[in-house]
Amino acid sequence: AIRMTQSPSSFSASTGDRVTISCRASQGIFSYLAWYQQKPGGAPKLLIYAASTLQSGVPSRFSGSGSGTDFTLTISCLQSEDFATYYCQQYYSYPRTFGQGTKVEIK
Amino acid sequence: QVQLQESGPGLVKPSETLSLTCTVSGGSISSYYWTWIRQPPGKGLEWIGFIYYSGSTNYNPSLKSRVTISVDTSKNQFSLKLSSVTAADTAVYYCARVAVPYTDQDAFDIWGQGTMVTVSS
Repeated sequence: AIRMTQSPSSFSASTGDRVTISCRASQGIFSYLAWYQQKPGGAPKLLIYAASTLQSGVPSRFSGSGSGTDFTLTISCLQSEDFATYYCQQYYSYPRTFGQGTKVEIK
Repeated sequence: QVQLQESGPGLVKPSETLSLTCTVSGGSISSYYWTWIRQPPGKGLEWIGFIYYSGSTNYNPSLKSRVTISVDTSKNQFSLKLSSVTAADTAVYYCARVAVPYTDQDAFDIWGQGTMVTVSS
């Protein structure tokens, strides 16, 4: 199975900050990568697919980049509603696997 | 718009079989791949398996010996059975849809709200 490793596991940030979350795959996955946002008690929400394509309805402050093994999710100007846990997921091969999650907390 | 809703018992005894159903509303189950994912309390997400509307399946090897996913197109539902459960199977179980029709190689764009299943005697 492809192992997805996110960094950091958690961090604190302030509203208005630019934040980046990294995701590394244990082998190349081309651009078969998605990012999800999950708030407490809620289901994950698709933010980005194909590594860099914004899902319809997702604010443009979210962006994704990378290919192969290294990927990044960037939030250009953190808003109060963005404090959540973020997961990357590969859909290149079976079994589908997720990163362990990155929790973005309020500083 | 398409919505998913999980249903089933919230409490299952150890060694018994967990059974959940996902009902698709606002659209047809046809042409898409559908999936189950679970999340133990305070932990990350684990993919369980896929089913295509035609009935073909693909399971996570870590659960394959205990998992069966089936589909009922007449009811617009698909179901999960997980046998011989233990406390380690306690989790929120989500159903979801693969975003693009006719392929399983895409992200999961629509999720159910999730249902908590506790394994305990």
